[in-house]
Amino acid sequence: QVQLQESGPRLVKPSGTLFLTCDVSGDSISSSNWWSWVRQPPGKGLEWIGEIYHVGSTNSNPSLKSRVTLSVDKSKNQLSLNLTSVTAADTAVYYCARGQYSSPSDFYLDYWGQGTLVTVST
Amino acid sequence: QSALTQPPSASGTPGQRVTISCFGSSSNIGSNTVSWYQQVPGAAPKLIIHTNDQRPSGVPDRFSGSKSGTSASLAISGLQSEDEADYYCSAWDDRLRGVFGGGTKLTVL
Repeated sequence: QVQLQESGPRLVKPSGTLFLTCDVSGDSISSSNWWSWVRQPPGKGLEWIGEIYHVGSTNSNPSLKSRVTLSVDKSKNQLSLNLTSVTAADTAVYYCARGQYSSPSDFYLDYWGQGTLVTVST
Repeated sequence: QSALTQPPSASGTPGQRVTISCFGSSSNIGSNTVSWYQQVPGAAPKLIIHTNDQRPSGVPDRFSGSKSGTSASLAISGLQSEDEADYYCSAWDDRLRGVFGGGTKLTVL
């Protein structure tokens, strides 16, 4: 059973940096999967942040690309998300998820973490 | 503004069949497959349909998906109270990003 667990500070100051990690169990970060981050502002819909492959290849949402850094730590089987220059608009539940591509056009997220709420406030 | 367009709400009575639509464009639904997620309040999204019409193991066959051109649909037959949730469609966009619909809140009357 694949499980993902997000962790990190729940409160970040405006203009600061949001940093989250995602521990993966039941699958290897180095498997043939991409690993995504998705966020959901309170009461709103889902927004795809970006994805990473274990060799370091990444894709990011153009609206966030300049502020997002994704990385993996193979020794810990862990993903991480770095989001700089945060504002109140970045307040959201942040999810990590496993991505599947049975073909280049077939993208879906089959396992999700429980999510962690990060609030940007003084 | 979401890249994929869904109705904000839908409703039905127990036993009914309801359909939720999802409209995209040639760069996403028109050229890539569609997935659907169910999210009950306070929980993470759950994959219920992938590759347009495939159900993961454990998802009841009351849930079905279809795609035509740049639009897709999720159908739920034999509606049950436990189906009350938010539903999101998603697809890959050829501009190298994943996209979601704005979500549809399904109410079982």
